[in-house]
Amino acid sequence: AQKVTQAQTEISVVEKEDVTLDCVYETRDTTYYLFWYKQPPSGELVFLIRRNSFDEQNEISGRYSWNFQKSTSSFNFTITASQVVDSAVYFCALGGDNAGNMLTFGGGTRLMVKP
Amino acid sequence: DAEITQSPRHKITETGRQVTLACHQTWNHNNMFWYRQDLGHGLRLIHYSYGVHDTNKGEVSDGYSVSRSNTEDLPLTLESAASSQTSVYFCASSGGGVAGDTQYFGPGTRLTVL
Repeated sequence: AQKVTQAQTEISVVEKEDVTLDCVYETRDTTYYLFWYKQPPSGELVFLIRRNSFDEQNEISGRYSWNFQKSTSSFNFTITASQVVDSAVYFCALGGDNAGNMLTFGGGTRLMVKP
Repeated sequence: DAEITQSPRHKITETGRQVTLACHQTWNHNNMFWYRQDLGHGLRLIHYSYGVHDTNKGEVSDGYSVSRSNTEDLPLTLESAASSQTSVYFCASSGGGVAGDTQYFGPGTRLTVL
């Protein structure tokens, strides 16, 4: 069975602070895929990133960066110099070769960025 | 542009009534999914389909059904709505070519069962 844990249910920061959202996963698949989605206050779910288990390179996209560490089964998400527009619920998700096309989602982390 | 739409966006119904939520995608994706989102539970899979005439139960399928008669649509039916089914419902689709395909989500339907 697959499992995704986002231990931080809520984080509050002040604008311009850096913040890291944690994601820990469990899977028995040797090939698997990790995702992050953003859910802003408007409610839609926005895809941010997909990584496969063979690519452990960290990724940076503007103020967003992702740190994938197989040794600790973690796929953490860092926002540098946070902005009010980053306020949202962020979901980490896991898919695997033996899960077909299904994804298992973590419970989400609500990030509040205060001006 | 290709997209995925849901209707209605908001619905209020009474206990015991049958309700159908629509999901339509124009990406020509093989895979479609229905989730519900509740506080403290994240997103939970209700039903999914890997192609026309294919449907499968997810984690929380009791009280729900789906049918897939074409590629574009996967309607979700609540046979007899219950207050426990008050939730936000999301439809998603993915290409289906490989495992772990990215799922793209519709805007959601907020359902209230009184």
